[in-house]
Amino acid sequence: GAGVSQSPSNKVTEKGKDVELRCDPISGHTALYWYRQRLGQGLEFLIYFQGNSAPDKSGLPSDRFSAERTGESVSTLTIQRTQQEDSAVYLCASSLLTGTNEKLFFGSGTQLSVL
Amino acid sequence: QKEVEQDPGPLSVPEGAIVSLNCTYSNSAFQYFMWYRQYSRKGPELLMYTYSSGNKEDGRFTAQVDKSSKYISLFIRDSQPSDSATYLCARYGGATNKLIFGTGTLLAVQP
Repeated sequence: GAGVSQSPSNKVTEKGKDVELRCDPISGHTALYWYRQRLGQGLEFLIYFQGNSAPDKSGLPSDRFSAERTGESVSTLTIQRTQQEDSAVYLCASSLLTGTNEKLFFGSGTQLSVL
Repeated sequence: QKEVEQDPGPLSVPEGAIVSLNCTYSNSAFQYFMWYRQYSRKGPELLMYTYSSGNKEDGRFTAQVDKSSKYISLFIRDSQPSDSATYLCARYGGATNKLIFGTGTLLAVQP
């Protein structure tokens, strides 16, 4: 597609429910990233995919968070048993993995609100 | 100490002013530095990137890296209301392929 697409754009859920966030990267981009942005704060790295494998998942806050990527394309970020502190914008980005200068292209994010 | 430190602002300037946005970083192994711009309710978009030390200019924007002091700057000349956004500095490099961002500076250019 023309850009990185994320769905849903907004998600309201109740505490304790599971949620699944989807990211469609730019076609041909081998690297895919998930970031979290809390209100008024910067981007917090969560996980990075190179192809379908995740060399760096060091930013996942707890074992309630998991992510997968299939077919070197779509990725899903799953949050189990959501808590109020999970409320944030979840941003996905993709890039051509050049190994030198990573130019990330971001989607518009999923605004998650946990009530 | 955070890897990339940035004053969150907010910063309010009149139209036409020169804006200076700054970040410091902690690890001298970092090589690539970027500035991203983020409009409200949108994802960040790459504005400029620099490698190592020196200046890079693109229209009204100049990015500057001083590796000796671990300081990176973005200058905006003749600022416009359309420049009102959050500006995020980022570094790339080190052991893994990931961008680490500063907290962002919220800029408001008043018409």
